[in-house]
Amino acid sequence: EDQVTQSPEALRLQEGESSSLNCSYTVSGLRGLFWYRQDPGKGPEFLFTLYSAGEEKEKERLKATLTKKESFLHITAPKPEDSATYLCAVQASGATNKLIFGTGTLLAVQP
Amino acid sequence: DVKVTQSSRYLVKRTGEKVFLECVQDMDHENMFWYRQDPGLGLRLIYFSYDVKMKEKGDIPEGYSVSREKKERFSLILESASTNQTSMYLCASYWLDTQYFGPGTRLTVL
Repeated sequence: EDQVTQSPEALRLQEGESSSLNCSYTVSGLRGLFWYRQDPGKGPEFLFTLYSAGEEKEKERLKATLTKKESFLHITAPKPEDSATYLCAVQASGATNKLIFGTGTLLAVQP
Repeated sequence: DVKVTQSSRYLVKRTGEKVFLECVQDMDHENMFWYRQDPGLGLRLIYFSYDVKMKEKGDIPEGYSVSREKKERFSLILESASTNQTSMYLCASYWLDTQYFGPGTRLTVL
């Protein structure tokens, strides 16, 4: 069964303290892995798509990497405005465009 | 920019009422999706649509139906709302390999 697991469930950082969020997945053929950011009470906001092992994408303080079994979202020198829930999702190879989501990591960055 | 809008941000309904949630995208996308999001369970797919009048059940379709009469509009219908349908409902539109989400509707069923 296709599955996505994110860890940790929650993470508290001091401003400037770098860390990584993990997304491990099992899927029958990966078509793409997606990272979203979600603020409280709002819809998820698209961040990155990764397609193949070894691929990396960057945006401001965020960097996403992908291996054959997992993805990491690295946060460098975070600021309080980076506080949010970060969601990971995978799309399996096949005829549909469905996504399978993890339950997310709640990140709190304290000043 | 992809823009996905949902008809209401907050909605309060009574048990047994028929509820309509609407989603509109302005980019002529073929694929649209309805999810519900609950703490600890993540996003779960209710229904999706490939094109006008085309629909397919997701993982949790029970108690819901959908309608897609025009390409830009995808409606989620709760035929008889129940308290266990209290949740955050999210609509998404698919474009260039990516799903883009609307702002969500927080539905409370009393």
